[in-house]
Amino acid sequence: ELKVEQNPLFLSMQEGKNYTIYCNYSTTSDRLYWYRQDPGKSLESLFVLLSNGAVKQEGRLMASLDTKARLSTLHITAAVHDLSATYFCAVITGGTSYGKLTFGQGTILTVHP
Amino acid sequence: DAGVIQSPRHEVTEMGQEVTLRCKPISGHDYLFWYRQTMMRGLELLIYFNNNVPIDDSGMPEDRFSAKMPNASFSTLKIQPSEPRDSAVYFCASSPGPKPQHFGDGTRLSIL
Repeated sequence: ELKVEQNPLFLSMQEGKNYTIYCNYSTTSDRLYWYRQDPGKSLESLFVLLSNGAVKQEGRLMASLDTKARLSTLHITAAVHDLSATYFCAVITGGTSYGKLTFGQGTILTVHP
Repeated sequence: DAGVIQSPRHEVTEMGQEVTLRCKPISGHDYLFWYRQTMMRGLELLIYFNNNVPIDDSGMPEDRFSAKMPNASFSTLKIQPSEPRDSAVYFCASSPGPKPQHFGDGTRLSIL
């Protein structure tokens, strides 16, 4: 059974600081997603990572994937309050199980002034 | 483009009642997913469809849960009879093949 674990689960940051969220998964996967969820809202897709060494960046967020280590990171640069949200990584197995997306527990990020 | 549309947004009902959640996927998306989100269990995939056909329902918790997709623009998730432990936020999502899934706003279900 595929397991996806995020670390840390809670992250309190000061504005302007940098930090990294880690996502480990237990079996080989074809692709990895990062999503953002604001309180009481839906999930918004941030990144999809498709291959070993893939790196994607959007604003202050950068995601990377190491398929050999089964690890993805979401790096936050110079955090701002608007980044406060819950961040999920999600892993998908390919082939006939394309649609089986397994989510991590989520990391609740709070950015303080 | 309209996103994934779910109804109702909120549902409060008594234990034992039948609950029907509805979803309209994004036009042209051939995959549809139903998820449940709770504090204790996080986000769980319940079932997904490809071209209106159920592909994997291994996440459906019990026989009280059923899902249908009669056509490409509509799906339902039904709980009968409902129990308090079914209280959760239920999300529907759709995607055009192996692309990121687009989530609806969810249905917040409370079973008293």
